[in-house]
Amino acid sequence: EAGVAQSPRYKIIEKRQSVAFWCNPISGHATLYWYQQILGQGPKLLIQFQNNGVVDDSQLPKDRFSAERLKGVDSTLKIQPAKLEDSAVYLCASSPAGWVDGYTFGSGTRLTVV
Amino acid sequence: AQSVSQHNHHVILSEAASLELGCNYSYGGTVNLFWYVQYPGQHLQLLLKYFSGDPLVKGIKGFEAEFIKSKFSFNLRKPSVQWSDTAEYFCAVNSARGNTPLVFGKGTRLSVIA
Repeated sequence: EAGVAQSPRYKIIEKRQSVAFWCNPISGHATLYWYQQILGQGPKLLIQFQNNGVVDDSQLPKDRFSAERLKGVDSTLKIQPAKLEDSAVYLCASSPAGWVDGYTFGSGTRLTVV
Repeated sequence: AQSVSQHNHHVILSEAASLELGCNYSYGGTVNLFWYVQYPGQHLQLLLKYFSGDPLVKGIKGFEAEFIKSKFSFNLRKPSVQWSDTAEYFCAVNSARGNTPLVFGKGTRLSVIA
């Protein structure tokens, strides 16, 4: 089966600019996650979707980050405006609904804010 | 809230040496436990998982992990490492009640030298 697709792979922007990342999960996977992985740290959950509804966004910095999952398939994560500390790899993962058997991760988008 | 501690930040081993990476978690209820691996330039991949039953679980590529409930630990082991095991290893946990996101540790970088 095809994996989780993310784009772009790399992005360099200046602080205060905006940026968007795209994720296409595995077909049929109802649950989608966005994680932020800062260099030297483990992935940290930003937001969890179940179909097109938000399950958990408690760690999403909502003053600058937003995410949507229209039609319960693809998802976009946006940062506006970006700060230097947003430099990280943004990982998308998906799983079937109610699945506890681990997720399938995409390759991530490496964001550098200068 | 759940948390995961990985004690070793960077481990350097010679080929054929034995490996043990520590992982401790903090959570009051029943958990599922995972080890993920991230090879250089690749996405996170599931190495092994524990849900219930035999506390010694075997994963891919000769890795195994032992769940010790009394110690809240889930250490990863391999009797003889290879150069190709060079990667970053992440321990993760989620609630066994389902549909809760994975919480990751900070990771341990393993470097295997010839």
